[in-house]
Amino acid sequence: GQQLNQSPQSMFIQEGEDVSMNCTSSSIFNTWLWYKQDPGEGPVLLIALYKAGELTSNGRLTAQFGITRKDSFLNISASIPSDVGIYFCAGFMNYGGSQGNLIFGKGTKLSVKP
Amino acid sequence: ETGVTQTPRHLVMGMTNKKSLKCEQHLGHNAMYWYKQSAKKPLELMFVYNFKEQTENNSVPSRFSPECPNSSHLFLHLHTLQPEDSALYLCASSQERKNTEAFFGQGTRLTVV
Repeated sequence: GQQLNQSPQSMFIQEGEDVSMNCTSSSIFNTWLWYKQDPGEGPVLLIALYKAGELTSNGRLTAQFGITRKDSFLNISASIPSDVGIYFCAGFMNYGGSQGNLIFGKGTKLSVKP
Repeated sequence: ETGVTQTPRHLVMGMTNKKSLKCEQHLGHNAMYWYKQSAKKPLELMFVYNFKEQTENNSVPSRFSPECPNSSHLFLHLHTLQPEDSALYLCASSQERKNTEAFFGQGTRLTVV
């Protein structure tokens, strides 16, 4: 089946640092989404990208839809402690008509540096 | 108020029990989904309902039985589950089946003993 390769799997952040993560696939996607999940909660949608090359910001978050439509990245600038959590990328693959599926990456876990 | 509400938040059940998970969305969406989230695995799509009709069943065992009485409510009926079914079960909704912005509930943490 389709797979998204999300990296890194985990990373440690120090307050004030910039953070970058990305997702790649061998398949073309019509849409890229980025979610954040806190422990014990459901994923919360952060950014949605609909066009190849699109660059979208949401506060300190910036995400881009890769020009090949096979990748996307998420940047977090000037990280703060509440940024910790698990970030998921998701790609929407349209099968035609009204059919399609969201494919999720395995997530990038952000933790605070000890 | 997340817009998608799941109950219960936590559930412990024996392998011979029958229980149900409930999801309600207040967003006016027409598509609803059940996902399973296990440790170290990507989110797995289980079922999709579009305008109350089931449009997808991703080879889910019959011990999981979904029900969608209307566009706002979705249930997942559970019976004779196995310990490996323990996971976080997430409900999501989107405006349409082809609309990709899915909004998730907080999930039900299920433990099968």
